[in-house]
Amino acid sequence: GAVVSQHPSRVICKSGTSVKIECRSLDFQATTMFWYRQFPKQSLMLMATSNEGSKATYEQGVEKDKFLINHASLTLSTLTVTSAHPEDSSFYICSAETGRGYTEAFFGQGTRLTVV
Amino acid sequence: GENVEQHPSTLSVQEGDSAVIKCTYSDSASNYFPWYKQELGKRPQLIIDIRSNVGEKKDQRIAVTLNKTAKHFSLHITETQPEDSAVYFCAASTGNQFYFGTGTSLTVIP
Repeated sequence: GAVVSQHPSRVICKSGTSVKIECRSLDFQATTMFWYRQFPKQSLMLMATSNEGSKATYEQGVEKDKFLINHASLTLSTLTVTSAHPEDSSFYICSAETGRGYTEAFFGQGTRLTVV
Repeated sequence: GENVEQHPSTLSVQEGDSAVIKCTYSDSASNYFPWYKQELGKRPQLIIDIRSNVGEKKDQRIAVTLNKTAKHFSLHITETQPEDSAVYFCAASTGNQFYFGTGTSLTVIP
C-alpha cells in the first residue's frame, strides 16, 4: 500500500501561537489530500480538501483563516493552526489518494495537538 | 452532501461471538464503502471495503454486505477475539471525498 507520513505526532503549544502540521506521501504523488479533525471517542470530521497547486476546499463551518492549508507539491500538504486556542486541541489526521486507480484513503499517523 | 449514520455506538460481545455494525448513507452517488479499524491514538486502518457493483465481500473472519437500494451496508466480524477490540468506522465515498460514520467502539470480552 501507499505510505503517508504525518509530522509531528504530538505537539504542545501556547495559546496564541501557530502550529504547522505536515502530511507527506512517501512513495506516490498525491494530487489530493484531506485533512480531518477527530475529538476523543468521536468520528473523523472532514475539515478540508487540499488540491496541489490550488486553494483548498473547506467544509462548512471550518474557518479558512484559522486553518491554513497549503499543498505546494505533489507530495506535501501542510495544515497550519493559527493563533491556537485550547479549543483547537484535538487529533488532526491527513489522508491522501494515490491517483493510481485506487479509491482507498491512506492515512497519516495523526497529530495530537494540545494548546495550553 | 453525504450523511453517514452508524449503529451501534458501543458494542460488547463475548469472545467467539459475532459482531455486526450497520451504516446507512444518503447520497446515491456514493460507490465505495470502506471500513476502518482505529486503535486509540493511531491512524485508521482499512480492514475491508466494498464497491457498489458488489453485494457482499468476505475476508477471513470479516465480511461486508451492501444494499444499494436501501442505502445501507454492514460489517460482520465472526469468531471475535480480544484483539478485535477497537473503534470501527464506516465511510462512504463518491470517489472524491470520504464521509465517515460516527464510529462503533467494540469490546470483545475474553
